[in-house]
Amino acid sequence: DAKTTQPNSMESNEEEPVHLPCNHSTISGTDYIHWYRQLPSQGPEYVIHGLTSNVNNRMASLAIAEDRKSSTLILHRATLRDAAVYYCILRDRFTDKLIFGTGTRLQVFP
Amino acid sequence: EPEVTQTPSHQVTQMGQEVILRCVPISNHLYFYWYRQILGQKVEFLVSFYNNEISEKSEIFDDQFSVERPDGSNFTLKIRSTKLEDSAMYFCASSEALRSEQFFGPGTRLTVL
Repeated sequence: DAKTTQPNSMESNEEEPVHLPCNHSTISGTDYIHWYRQLPSQGPEYVIHGLTSNVNNRMASLAIAEDRKSSTLILHRATLRDAAVYYCILRDRFTDKLIFGTGTRLQVFP
Repeated sequence: EPEVTQTPSHQVTQMGQEVILRCVPISNHLYFYWYRQILGQKVEFLVSFYNNEISEKSEIFDDQFSVERPDGSNFTLKIRSTKLEDSAMYFCASSEALRSEQFFGPGTRLTVL
């Protein structure tokens, strides 16, 4: 399973942008980059995914480096509800399972 | 918005007892999963299920575990003889298509005494 590296924790103030980095230097050409998050006492929740191009949805944006060895999840305006553990996950075409790492714990301050 | 539901929210059992954890996936989804999270640890994949068969399972998913889709709506995880180390939060998930986003339920907290 291809591995990802994320900072253990990050902090942000409410209404500020947050950039959550993820390194995946061993990514293969067919691996998709997925982001999930887990709010306190809840199940994981899908955030966004991409392959090569940057992606936007209502929750966040995903910026993927040209060499695909790193990516950044961007929350444009953090809210208190965005405080969660954010997981960067690589999914290959041979498996359907999600392999969770330890993720980045995001704290948002009012 | 459709969601995955799980019952019970908390199950307490004695070691050696059988437990069945229940999940109702989103109605048009075809792929089903169980994950677990021991307190303070990572979320771990247990099993994936499609077309009434297990598609993939982890090393954790040994002979003590089984899954079933007994009718058109429920998806269950059975642990035949629970051990203390089975205490964890168990999450069910479903997805519409292979490798598409997975929707997780709120979890069942299993406590084995």
